[in-house]
Amino acid sequence: DQQVKQNSPSLSVQEGRISILNCDYTNSMFDYFLWYKKYPAEGPTFLISISSIKDKNEDGRFTVFLNKSAKHLSLHIVPSQPGDSAVYFCAAKTGANNLFFGTGTRLTVIP
Amino acid sequence: GAVVSQHPSRVICKSGTSVKIECRSLDFQATTMFWYRQFPKQSLMLMATSNEGSKATYEQGVEKDKFLINHASLTLSTLTVTSAHPEDSSFYICSARGDPRGGRQETQYFGPGTRLLVL
Repeated sequence: DQQVKQNSPSLSVQEGRISILNCDYTNSMFDYFLWYKKYPAEGPTFLISISSIKDKNEDGRFTVFLNKSAKHLSLHIVPSQPGDSAVYFCAAKTGANNLFFGTGTRLTVIP
Repeated sequence: GAVVSQHPSRVICKSGTSVKIECRSLDFQATTMFWYRQFPKQSLMLMATSNEGSKATYEQGVEKDKFLINHASLTLSTLTVTSAHPEDSSFYICSARGDPRGGRQETQYFGPGTRLLVL
């Protein structure tokens, strides 16, 4: 049972434009959400997170939005850069429990 | 940021042999360590969770006698794939959860992964 879903396996964006990666979840008990970036043959790197008490968290070019009523979160990258090309995983957890990962979205930023 | 290392990064072994993978949190003490497996084009699948000094908790479908996990200290966990077979070939990633600042804001940090190929 996939509790965290990323329905778009891939996304291509022109350099300088905005990249929007989406994630949906089914478990309303999730209270903490994270985005990880992963390059091939490397482990995921923590990017940004958001607590369920917030609806937005911003860090430089990266902003995560949380819509609890829709059980949806998104990661915005603006402006997109070629170095942002990677696979992005969203993840969610309840309290100190384990992370549940989505299946990932491969972002390609075209120079 | 916090650093988690894995060794080796890549290993090729013959069928029937055992392989040990080490995972270390280099600049923080990890209250919990996790082992994941990733098949091509698929998500990270949690194999087991371990706390220092106690037995690992395995996810459903993961054979604990085949994937031996030892969490010897707050900075070291090992995964041993015993009697490896070609179907065990995969990308294994460890993760450590802790707060590098010594506080209670824990985040999960990942190692670079180990590519295992069983011939």
